[in-house]
Amino acid sequence: AQRVTQPEKLLSVFKGAPVELKCNYSYSGSPELFWYVQYSRQRLQLLLRHISRESIKGFTADLNKGETSFHLKKPFAQEEDSAMYYCALRPGATNKLIFGTGTLLAVQP
Amino acid sequence: GAVVSQHPSWVICKSGTSVKIECRSLDFQATTMFWYRQFPKQSLMLMATSNEGSKATYEQGVEKDKFLINHASLTLSTLTVTSAHPEDSSFYICSATGPSNTEAFFGQGTRLTVV
Repeated sequence: AQRVTQPEKLLSVFKGAPVELKCNYSYSGSPELFWYVQYSRQRLQLLLRHISRESIKGFTADLNKGETSFHLKKPFAQEEDSAMYYCALRPGATNKLIFGTGTLLAVQP
Repeated sequence: GAVVSQHPSWVICKSGTSVKIECRSLDFQATTMFWYRQFPKQSLMLMATSNEGSKATYEQGVEKDKFLINHASLTLSTLTVTSAHPEDSSFYICSATGPSNTEAFFGQGTRLTVV
């Protein structure tokens, strides 16, 4: 079955602390993985995708096929990082996205 | 980035009536549009995928006769909730991809409340 699991509903950290948002997936083929972010009162938007291997707003995510994980990390959290973060999987040969349940990141001053 | 607009942002309707939600790509041609449903504090659940000019592909468990999807042009898809019931109350979100399919752009969502 194709599934994305985000075990934490809420992650609260202090400003300047490291952040790791966990994401595990279940997919038999070669996955394409994404992180989407939704800031307060805004629409969902793409943060980063694993094939780009880029760092956006200080966030990085590495695909670990052995552990079937795609955790999102940032070394020093900022208050403006507070948002809802969704991990998503795109099964091969389709355009659709399968979303995890999301993790609310709250960065305290 | 590209913009996807949904209308209306919120709607209240009576049980038994039908309501139409529009999803427009404002500055690109959306070859594929997706409709999601999101219950409070839950994830986005894909309802259907629609390609311009062809019938929508519905996910398992989604009633195609209840949730009518039309994708008549490259910039517009509509979702019609027919004979709405209170349990249809939810947040409906559309997304669209262009010909390159590299990124999905999301609408702001529509809050449907059926009373």
